[in-house]
Amino acid sequence: EAGVTQSPTHLIKTRGQQATLRCSPISGHTSVYWYQQALGLGLQFLLWYDEGEERNRGNFPPRFSGRQFPNYSSELNVNALELEDSALYLCASSGGASSKNIQYFGAGTRLSVL
Amino acid sequence: GENVEQHPSTLSVQEGDSAVIKCTYSDSASNYFPWYKQELGKRPQLIIDIRSNVGEKKDQRIAVTLNKTAKHFSLHITETQPEDSAVYFCAASIDFGNEKLTFGTGTRLTIIP
Repeated sequence: EAGVTQSPTHLIKTRGQQATLRCSPISGHTSVYWYQQALGLGLQFLLWYDEGEERNRGNFPPRFSGRQFPNYSSELNVNALELEDSALYLCASSGGASSKNIQYFGAGTRLSVL
Repeated sequence: GENVEQHPSTLSVQEGDSAVIKCTYSDSASNYFPWYKQELGKRPQLIIDIRSNVGEKKDQRIAVTLNKTAKHFSLHITETQPEDSAVYFCAASIDFGNEKLTFGTGTRLTIIP
């Protein structure tokens, strides 16, 4: 069974540009969570999608947005990039009969804003 | 909202000794507490979790204890091995994990051969 996959692995952008990050959950999982892991810091919750709907949102500005598609994959968009947006963005999925709400993480997308 | 504090931020122990990492949480509604291990350059991986209806859970060399009254939980690793070296994160969630995770800031554990 494939795990959570994220693309791209690395993304380099300049300040003011937009970034799009993608996540494919484990087959059968309906929930997708996005977290930001800045250097030296813990994981900060960004967004939670379940069954195509945004269920919860962390304390981030509106330029962080996303969506979940009918196949449960998800996209995170960051508009008007700022230098401090440079971080590892992790996606996790959960759901399905056997997962017991455990969140399984992808390997992340490292976003560098120059 | 929930706030999770984790201590220590770094921990070095001799191979074979035990390691203990402690976390406290603020929201009494939290009822699910997972621990993740993140090796350098890799994804966080769940190593053990506990729900609020139990006080302790063990899995081979790893154990987690929960004190709901004091709102703290701890990770215990016995007979440490070099492959235990990693960053460990505690987290808390409501609704038995069917919600966002609030993470601690992590503990960098180094096992000294």
